[in-house]
Amino acid sequence: DAKTTQPTSMDCAEGRAANLPCNHSTISGNEYVYWYRQIHSQGPQYIIHGLKNNETNEMASLIITEDRKSSTLILPHATLRDTAVYYCIVRVANFGNEKLTFGTGTRLTIIP
Amino acid sequence: GAVVSQHPSWVICKSGTSVKIECRSLDFQATTMFWYRQFPKQSLMLMATSNEGSKATYEQGVEKDKFLINHASLTLSTLTVTSAHPEDSSFYICSASGGGRRLNYGYTFGSGTRLTVV
Repeated sequence: DAKTTQPTSMDCAEGRAANLPCNHSTISGNEYVYWYRQIHSQGPQYIIHGLKNNETNEMASLIITEDRKSSTLILPHATLRDTAVYYCIVRVANFGNEKLTFGTGTRLTIIP
Repeated sequence: GAVVSQHPSWVICKSGTSVKIECRSLDFQATTMFWYRQFPKQSLMLMATSNEGSKATYEQGVEKDKFLINHASLTLSTLTVTSAHPEDSSFYICSASGGGRRLNYGYTFGSGTRLTVV
């Protein structure tokens, strides 16, 4: 798996957009960017993934730079329940038995 | 969405005893399951990968005789911590893949099991 680099922690005011960056400068052409989050004492939860186009779903948006060396996860209107550790992972998709390697992630705290 | 059920959610056991943790995929067939361990304020660390009907592949440094993994069916994998000691106290999380395109080729995680060995 390509390595990813994320800030250790971030704060965001409730109701504002939370923008979480991730660097993956060694990403390969067939590797996707996946985002998961882990709320305290729970298992990780899938958020979104993408290859090169920007993606949006009911939870978040994913913006991937044209050179694919970095991406940003956007939570458009952060709520207190979005406080969690967010993990950015790159992996080959369509290949379900590839192991996921978690980095240290970004601890996002939503401030009331 | 997919659901992975993990039981128990927490367990306290005496040193020297064994503990079994179950991980079930409820609405899809999990061709591969993964077991992670997480210590406080640390990231998830992969322990082993198991495929249905075959032996698990353990990560370097993980004792296969201590952490027994069984993946007997496409919906069930178990992790048994044998002769548990206080240093085995941790948060254990399973993950399952196999939902294919319906699940974004992603992985669905169980809710975790907090093991405390006293």
